[in-house]
Amino acid sequence: DSGVTQTPKHLITATGQRVTLRCSPRSGDLSVYWYQQSLDQGLQFLIQYYNGEERAKGNILERFSAQQFPDLHSELNLSSLELGDSALYFCASSGAGGISYEQYFGPGTRLTVT
Amino acid sequence: GESVGLHLPTLSVQEGDNSIINCAYSNSASDYFIWYKQESGKGPQFIIDIRSNMDKRQGQRVTVLLNKTVKHLSLQIAATQPGDSAVYFCAENPAKAAGNKLTFGGGTRVLVKP
Repeated sequence: DSGVTQTPKHLITATGQRVTLRCSPRSGDLSVYWYQQSLDQGLQFLIQYYNGEERAKGNILERFSAQQFPDLHSELNLSSLELGDSALYFCASSGAGGISYEQYFGPGTRLTVT
Repeated sequence: GESVGLHLPTLSVQEGDNSIINCAYSNSASDYFIWYKQESGKGPQFIIDIRSNMDKRQGQRVTVLLNKTVKHLSLQIAATQPGDSAVYFCAENPAKAAGNKLTFGGGTRVLVKP
């Protein structure tokens, strides 16, 4: 158990809908990262937050957004969903210093868009 | 990178033998590398890391080798056990950039035969 929690575990929704994925980092970790894992693209970095502020951005679509709240949990919002958004979405967290590289991953949310 | 899932390269190894998993990374400026293990239905799990100022690092039953000249990383698992069956990913941190995003390789599936 990495100490990172994600909810929900599974999500099935229709095209055009909007969903919110939630992540709670390990206790004390200030950085949260979101990754997408799909069959044809592997593990792709989406976005990082550090202590409530956006720190780095990867290949995140404009239809996707994220935020980190004062209690450090994070949410990833996916809107206008398309079939190709079906994937595993992982959250990871890392150490308090903001420069710790070792990232601990949560169990993921499996999103299925029908 | 390579596709994951159905098209993952696969390493079959006999229980008790040593495994070597290879990874070619892309960014010569990367200064930090990690190996992750992902079991079915779970998030990536940290195995071992290495910084670019080292060429070898050992953990418990695992050794990571880094060859910066040819941008190659390998993970050696000693006395492979059934519990080592998983997909293994190398990841690099593109260095000096804002944030600590990781760029993942395509993964290698390890199957341990009893």
